[in-house]
Amino acid sequence: SQQGEEDPQALSIQEGENATMNCSYKTSINNLQWYRQNSGRGLVHLILIRSNEREKHSGRLRVTLDTSKKSSSLLITASRAADTASYFCATDGTGNQFYFGTGTSLTVIP
Amino acid sequence: DTEVTQTPKHLVMGMTNKKSLKCEQHMGHRAMYWYKQKAKKPPELMFVYSYEKLSINESVPSRFSPECPNSSLLNLHLHALQPEDSALYLCASSQQGLRETQYFGPGTRLLVL
Repeated sequence: SQQGEEDPQALSIQEGENATMNCSYKTSINNLQWYRQNSGRGLVHLILIRSNEREKHSGRLRVTLDTSKKSSSLLITASRAADTASYFCATDGTGNQFYFGTGTSLTVIP
Repeated sequence: DTEVTQTPKHLVMGMTNKKSLKCEQHMGHRAMYWYKQKAKKPPELMFVYSYEKLSINESVPSRFSPECPNSSLLNLHLHALQPEDSALYLCASSQQGLRETQYFGPGTRLLVL
């Protein structure tokens, strides 16, 4: 399978703490994206980082990319209860492929 | 308007039924997608339409038949499904291709009895 792996599978933190989730992928990429999914609903795009970028910020989100290690991380700072969701990385590859990682389920306790 | 709409929200069908899922976007996107998502699993790409032409079919069984009547609409026709096809079916669109930001609809939750 070309699917990426995310770590941890589940993460539970207190409101106000930071949350870090990691993604490892298998093939060369053009872009890596992060999406959020609230329970049983559609996905929401969070951030896109290109293969020639190493770090990107968007509000409370910070994404890093290490193409030599085929890995990325998503940091959510000062977490809120509303951040409770599943988070997926997604990678493209050659030949119009697109794969979501296995996902991290984040619970933020008020 | 950055919304992708999907109908119906829920669908229950028997294995001999024929039904259709519908998806619509008015963002002027030229690429639209169908994904299948099983419980506690990531979405899996099923079909890609680019400029109203099917460009990718990820080895999906023929009991799933996509259709793109125009650049704003995407249908998924279902026939003779199996219980293991029960899942959340997600539609998404992007400006031109998979490498760009995708906008997802809320999904249709399908139960096959």
